[in-house]
Amino acid sequence: GAGVSQSPSNKVTEKGKDVELRCDPISGHTALYWYRQSLGQGLEFLIYFQGNSAPDKSGLPSDRFSAERTGGSVSTLTIQRTQQEDSAVYLCASSLSGGRTDTQYFGPGTRLTVL
Amino acid sequence: RKEVEQDPGPFNVPEGATVAFNCTYSNSASQSFFWYRQDCRKEPKLLMSVYSSGNEDGRFTAQLNRASQYISLLIRDSKLSDSATYLCVVNGYPGNQFYFGTGTSLTVIP
Repeated sequence: GAGVSQSPSNKVTEKGKDVELRCDPISGHTALYWYRQSLGQGLEFLIYFQGNSAPDKSGLPSDRFSAERTGGSVSTLTIQRTQQEDSAVYLCASSLSGGRTDTQYFGPGTRLTVL
Repeated sequence: RKEVEQDPGPFNVPEGATVAFNCTYSNSASQSFFWYRQDCRKEPKLLMSVYSSGNEDGRFTAQLNRASQYISLLIRDSKLSDSATYLCVVNGYPGNQFYFGTGTSLTVIP
């Protein structure tokens, strides 16, 4: 079946612009995670959605970052007034139920470059 | 202190060698542990979960030491296709977060 998809695959933007990144999780997966991976760094947790529960936003680095998940499926991560330090690969993952032992399936990521 | 720490390597080993990676974690309440594999410029993929009793999957063996708060991954009879970055992952109990290490780079040399 179809895996996690993300779009765009690459995004180049100018400092100060807003960007939207999209994630389509695996059908039927109720949990969705956003991470970012900077060069030479590990994956940094950003936000977690589970069903209809309030999202865990504790990893968002600043109020310029926000995310929503509509209808329990597609999610968008929005970065306002982008800064050069926002340049990274943004990875989305989904899991069946968000349980602590569930496998996370990752999308191919969006490579964001802020000039 | 980072939630998860790994030796970044790189590990360069010949084909057929045995190589071991360790990873330490800071939250003694963590309950779930994993090894993910990430190929260059690709997304991470689950290699194996790590169980308290230790577990083996073919050439790969994972161990958990709760007392010392570390997990290990042993790869026997290394293949060229094992070349990748191996990520240690620990859940952030009691929350929903998962913490990823920065990864250990492995290159298997012909």
